[in-house]
Amino acid sequence: SQQGEEDPQALSIQEGENATMNCSYKTSINNLQWYRQNSGRGLVHLILIRSNEREKHSGRLRVTLDTSKKSSSLLITASRAADTASYFCATDVTGTASKLTFGTGTRLQVTL
Amino acid sequence: NAGVMQNPRHLVRRRGQEARLRCSPMKGHSHVYWYRQLPEEGLKFMVYLQKENIIDESGMPKERFSAEFPKEGPSILRIQQVVRGDSAAYFCASSPYQRGLETQYFGPGTRLLVL
Repeated sequence: SQQGEEDPQALSIQEGENATMNCSYKTSINNLQWYRQNSGRGLVHLILIRSNEREKHSGRLRVTLDTSKKSSSLLITASRAADTASYFCATDVTGTASKLTFGTGTRLQVTL
Repeated sequence: NAGVMQNPRHLVRRRGQEARLRCSPMKGHSHVYWYRQLPEEGLKFMVYLQKENIIDESGMPKERFSAEFPKEGPSILRIQQVVRGDSAAYFCASSPYQRGLETQYFGPGTRLLVL
């Protein structure tokens, strides 16, 4: 498996429900970032969580980080149709000059 | 403050031609990263540059690909003698790289199609 694997690969929910996406990684990190990508578009930065942090909130987003399990989760509460996108976790691996290693993403579909 | 700018947004080349992709980082950012994204995949790191220096090119193919970030002007990713396998979206990101400001801000990407 590769650094930064998201789970599930695809998720379909109804508007108003919560969406949870998970990310696992292999090596020590400085920080972990979550990005959103709408189809055919660029990446939008959502949230950055450092290796010494356990949880972070931003609006309807909640990110957790468990460095002992090398995993992170992204929770989107009260989802909206506009949340439909691919979500990627990216790790800033220690000692790699801040290049990001991306997973393959979770494709979230929010239906009305 | 304008975001990261990339041009062209779409580029079509025939096999054997050269592709030149440009990236202007956000104002105040001196660090540029290039990533490639194949369809239905995540982004793969290619190269990390600071002004006039290549810091890490571990993700760059050994042949045909080169990158620069001159003192003046945008960063350029150059692909010589393109092949169909080079068809992908190429994203540029920039950051100020100060402790506490490691977020990378991405441009809209250049979608390269090689015929």
